[in-house]
Amino acid sequence: GAVVSQHPSRVICKSGTSVKIECRSLDFQATTMFWYRQFPKQSLMLMATSNEGSKATYEQGVEKDKFLINHASLTLSTLTVTSAHPEDSSFYICSATKQSASTEAFFGQGTRLTVV
Amino acid sequence: DAKTTQPNSMESNEEEPVHLPCNHSTISGTDYIHWYRQLPSQGPEYVIHGLTSNVNNRMASLAIAEDRKSSTLILHRATLRDAAVYYCIPTKTGNQFYFGTGTSLTVIP
Repeated sequence: GAVVSQHPSRVICKSGTSVKIECRSLDFQATTMFWYRQFPKQSLMLMATSNEGSKATYEQGVEKDKFLINHASLTLSTLTVTSAHPEDSSFYICSATKQSASTEAFFGQGTRLTVV
Repeated sequence: DAKTTQPNSMESNEEEPVHLPCNHSTISGTDYIHWYRQLPSQGPEYVIHGLTSNVNNRMASLAIAEDRKSSTLILHRATLRDAAVYYCIPTKTGNQFYFGTGTSLTVIP
């Protein structure tokens, strides 16, 4: 199957700083990438949809100025958590769909963010 | 987005079949029914998807009700590696996934 890789897998940052998470599709071109957040013992929550070369579409309640998404190429999307606070500590997961017609999504392994 | 109802948890003995039900009575005519599973601290993994007909792949089978308001994921012989949270997600082609609460499957050796 197709591979989506996230980096880093774990990150600890100080409150008030920013952290960037990368999501790469390694063996296919991704028209669309998605970012999710998952708190402990909860389900995944969609944060935003990212299309290459255009602005991301954010879900209701997700602050676009806090969670900056860039999708500069067909294989890379980045999520930057700006001015992170402890409540932003979570498991962040990206997924990607292929450029060709396909209904399935491929998920990264996730990034565990801890803000101290 | 179609809402889904799944049992919070299920148990199965190892090497026995498991039937995981999902109710999606508000599904639209063009929504595919996707199933994903997630192990702790990992991203979800694709299991299977279908539209109207039953589907089989190397991992599982998907039985879709004739009225498409429910579906059942069938694991033919559960192994310990199948212990995970299973999500059924009605969605349009290439569209966003809105995850429900899923079913936590425990496999008993």
